[in-house]
Amino acid sequence: LAKTTQPISMDSYEGQEVNITCSHNNIATNDYITWYQQFPSQGPRFIIQGYKTKVTNEVASLFIPADRKSSTLSLPRVSLSDTAVYYCLVVSYNTDKLIFGTGTRLQVFP
Amino acid sequence: NAGVMQNPRHLVRRRGQEARLRCSPMKGHSHVYWYRQLPEEGLKFMVYLQKENIIDESGMPKERFSAEFPKEGPSILRIQQVVRGDSAAYFCASSPRQRGPITEAFFGQGTRLTVV
Repeated sequence: LAKTTQPISMDSYEGQEVNITCSHNNIATNDYITWYQQFPSQGPRFIIQGYKTKVTNEVASLFIPADRKSSTLSLPRVSLSDTAVYYCLVVSYNTDKLIFGTGTRLQVFP
Repeated sequence: NAGVMQNPRHLVRRRGQEARLRCSPMKGHSHVYWYRQLPEEGLKFMVYLQKENIIDESGMPKERFSAEFPKEGPSILRIQQVVRGDSAAYFCASSPRQRGPITEAFFGQGTRLTVV
């Protein structure tokens, strides 16, 4: 499985757009990029998954360039409740498990 | 449709005792994963089970830890002779695991084990 690298922490203010970039230089052809969110004292929650270009849902957008060696999770107009740890994962087509890194700790200030 | 249910939410054990953590997957999900999370750290994969089968236990410590997912009832993570280093949050996740990449795994609220 491709190793992922993402910033340890980020700060933002309410109402701003937050972009968290993840590097996965060794991503394979059959790999997908997946993001999870974890609030304190809770289990992770799936946010979004993509293979290439752009994916958008009601929570976030995921941008994946053509070479797929990185991806960017975009959170529009964050609020205090978006304060959490965000994990970038590379998931293979036939993988049997999710491998989490250390994630990015996002702190949103009023 | 209830989510993944874990119990107990909090468990305190003395060194040397046994800890049993239970996980009921979402209805219709036959695949269960267990993870351990130390304070301020990411989640570490422990084991992946299907009904009555252990598929991948590459993250399980060789001794004292075991897991099962019987045909009937919840999945159980069992830790024998607990030590202080076992203190952590243990999360269970389930998925329907259809063919293709894991699109979404649903996590429970976790069991926080404290060994005193």
